[in-house]
Amino acid sequence: DAGVIQSPRHEVTEMGQEVTLRCKPISGHNSLFWYRQTMMRGLELLIYFNNNVPIDDSGMPEDRFSAKMPNASFSTLKIQPSEPRDSAVYFCASSLGGNIQYFGAGTRLSVL
Amino acid sequence: AQSVTQPDIHITVSEGASLELRCNYSYGATPYLFWYVQSPGQGLQLLLKYFSGDTLVQGIKGFEAEFKRSQSSFNLRKPSVHWSDAAEYFCAVAIGSNSNYQLIWGAGTKLIIKP
Repeated sequence: DAGVIQSPRHEVTEMGQEVTLRCKPISGHNSLFWYRQTMMRGLELLIYFNNNVPIDDSGMPEDRFSAKMPNASFSTLKIQPSEPRDSAVYFCASSLGGNIQYFGAGTRLSVL
Repeated sequence: AQSVTQPDIHITVSEGASLELRCNYSYGATPYLFWYVQSPGQGLQLLLKYFSGDTLVQGIKGFEAEFKRSQSSFNLRKPSVHWSDAAEYFCAVAIGSNSNYQLIWGAGTKLIIKP
């Protein structure tokens, strides 16, 4: 299996632009997690899905952030409009059941 | 509330020396415990896990960890570190039930290796 695939690996955008991060989980996994990692705040869970249904989105910072999982093999995290404080590394992880999580390589987002 | 504490933000050890990274958790039920490693610019990789049974668990790259219920600890050890072990290490506990879990993460410990 190719593992969790995230795209793009790097994204540089200007403040106010829309940003879409993509994730393909491991085939057969039923849970998907979006995390954000920064030096100041460490690793934060933004949202997670179980069987394509959002279970807990309490970590989503504000309404500018949204996440979807239209099917078992694809998820997106969208930021609109983006702000410089959104600059971080965003990780997607997938799991069968949620305990052992497998991480993608991350998307490094820079908002100028 | 559930929580995971990694009291050391940084640890510096000499190459070839032994290593112990501390992790304490707070969780009411029987915990599922994990250690992950993150090399610079990479995602997190599972090192080892404890679900039940033998309290000393072996992982990849020569790491082991011991679950001590009485101390609510799950410390990570390695008898002799290599320069390639320089990375950040995260301890986590799974909360939830019925195949619907999420992980509560520690803040991480950055391991620095002296030549």
